[in-house]
Amino acid sequence: GAGVSQSPRYKVAKRGQDVALRCDPISGHVSLFWYQQALGQGPEFLTYFQNEAQLDKSGLPSDRFFAERPEGSVSTLKIQRTQQEDSAVYLCASSFAGPYNEQFFGPGTRLTVL
Amino acid sequence: GQQVMQIPQYQHVQEGEDFTTYCNSSTTLSNIQWYKQRPGGHPVFLIQLVKSGEVKKQKRLTFQFGEAKKNSSLHITATQTTDVGTYFCAGRENTGNQFYFGTGTSLTVIP
Repeated sequence: GAGVSQSPRYKVAKRGQDVALRCDPISGHVSLFWYQQALGQGPEFLTYFQNEAQLDKSGLPSDRFFAERPEGSVSTLKIQRTQQEDSAVYLCASSFAGPYNEQFFGPGTRLTVL
Repeated sequence: GQQVMQIPQYQHVQEGEDFTTYCNSSTTLSNIQWYKQRPGGHPVFLIQLVKSGEVKKQKRLTFQFGEAKKNSSLHITATQTTDVGTYFCAGRENTGNQFYFGTGTSLTVIP
């Protein structure tokens, strides 16, 4: 595709439900980042993949958050037992190589937990 | 822990005036990137700075990286309504892969 795509664009979940957010990076991009952006704030780092390897997951806020990229392309961010504080926009970004390259962001998934 | 602060948080300017946003890190950075996010949109890459004291220009935009690699600035000359949005810096330390985004500066341009 021409850019990074994310689905769904909007997700409403009841507290306690599990959600899965998908990211399709630009074809051939090695690096993939997940960020959480609260309203009026800057993106906060969640996790980083280089191909299929999750090299950094230090930003995941709790063990309810899990991310994978099994074949080094599409990535899924899963949140178990969602809570209201999980409400935010989840952004995915990919870059051609490592962290010295520009990041291309997807449109984000807006998650609302009721 | 690592913190990246930006000032000001908000800036309103008349069209044609200049605008500057400042980014300060609590630790030395390896590289810093700048992004622009329009209302309702996603961050779009503007520039990357790597070298101490580096200055880069893109038309009306001038980016600087401090000598100590702990601060950076973005200056826009003669703002236009198309410059409206939130400008974020994102810094990365020498070790690790994560980028720490600043708090952002929201720019409003009054026609």
